[in-house]
Amino acid sequence: RKEVEQDPGPFNVPEGATVAFNCTYSNSASQSFFWYRQDCRKEPKLLMSVYSSGNEDGRFTAQLNRASQYISLLIRDSKLSDSATYLCVLPNTGGFKTIFGAGTRLFVKA
Amino acid sequence: DAGVIQSPRHEVTEMGQEVTLRCKPISGHNSLFWYRQTMMRGLELLIYFNNNVPIDDSGMPEDRFSAKMPNASFSTLKIQPSEPRDSAVYFCASSLSLGEQFFGPGTRLTVL
Repeated sequence: RKEVEQDPGPFNVPEGATVAFNCTYSNSASQSFFWYRQDCRKEPKLLMSVYSSGNEDGRFTAQLNRASQYISLLIRDSKLSDSATYLCVLPNTGGFKTIFGAGTRLFVKA
Repeated sequence: DAGVIQSPRHEVTEMGQEVTLRCKPISGHNSLFWYRQTMMRGLELLIYFNNNVPIDDSGMPEDRFSAKMPNASFSTLKIQPSEPRDSAVYFCASSLSLGEQFFGPGTRLTVL
């Protein structure tokens, strides 16, 4: 099993829709996670940090389910500008090695 | 404030040539990461420095790849000799200890 697994998508949704992505992880000792956003031909940028049970920032909500070992990202009221690839990240796994998921592609259509 | 600076932004070279990628981390950050991104393999960590010391280079694909960090404000990733399969986008990122990583704009490398 990969350390971090994501559905590559793409997810095609209309503006205003609610969309959710999941990310599963294998290291049960992981305590924190990140969601990064990467626009086409750009560098990844931090979207949200996830500690304990979850985090909310405006239209974005990240939740952590330790029992099932997955984190989720929920985007409400999708905007065209939300179109990007969303990367699930496990920081600081044993030996300070950061693990990036392969990413989930989202397309928001008018 | 300046972010992570990488140069060159684009590099096109022929197989067998030496390629050197450069990175200037954010001032005050003590951790530096080199990543490679391709469509097939996604984002891969190549090597990680902490306080200028290489901590984990297990992601370096082979001996053709080498990385140095002579001081806190500069790092290089060298490929010698380069091969077509090295074509990718190479990102440098820095962080304060093990916090959020800030990425540079990347170097798009094409080896013909």
